[in-house]
Amino acid sequence: QVQLTESGPGLVHPSETLSLTCTVSGFSLTGYSVYWVRQPSGKGLEWMGRMRYNGDTSYNSALKSRLSISRDTSKNQVFLKMNSLQTDDTGTYYCTRGPNKGFDYWGQGVMVTVSS
Amino acid sequence: DIQMTQSPSFLSASVGDRVTINCKASQNINRYLNWYQQKLGEAPKLLIYNANSLQTGIPSRFSGSGSGTDFTLTISSLQPEDVATYFCLQHNSWFTFGSGTKLEIK
Repeated sequence: QVQLTESGPGLVHPSETLSLTCTVSGFSLTGYSVYWVRQPSGKGLEWMGRMRYNGDTSYNSALKSRLSISRDTSKNQVFLKMNSLQTDDTGTYYCTRGPNKGFDYWGQGVMVTVSS
Repeated sequence: DIQMTQSPSFLSASVGDRVTINCKASQNINRYLNWYQQKLGEAPKLLIYNANSLQTGIPSRFSGSGSGTDFTLTISSLQPEDVATYFCLQHNSWFTFGSGTKLEIK
């Protein structure tokens, strides 16, 4: 059974770095890619970046300068780090699996609030 | 960048009604268009991939059509459990989402 579960702090202070973890089960990180998607509060869904099955990464050009994605295949985890957080980064962050059918399975998401 | 325009934003229909939701791409995306259902507090669920392929386990009342720039999700007979937000995703050139359609029962 394919599952993705996001975890991380619910509250981040402005200008600090967000660190999120996506823990997967039911598939291998060397066979599928994992993507990060977010929905800032009051806005639409936005693709952030991906960790490909072969370890390569790609990022949304709008976020590239602030974003880093890595993984630990032994722990079945993919990590997202985004620096210089501002209040408009508040929202829900998802990880999702791809790319054979676009994004097929999603985590439930983790709510992140950026506030002092 | 490819933009996706989804309509309507809100839809109210009766049980048994045929419901359609549309997504229009700003340029040709071939058939690389997915439809998702998201219920409150739950993970998004893939309904349709590549414009018209029904994901395993999804009821046959859901169907998708279109190619190029214009796509439609159809629910042939609306059920109470279909109350949710529906959104589209283009995956032809990177990834862009529609703005979502909130579906309620009249």
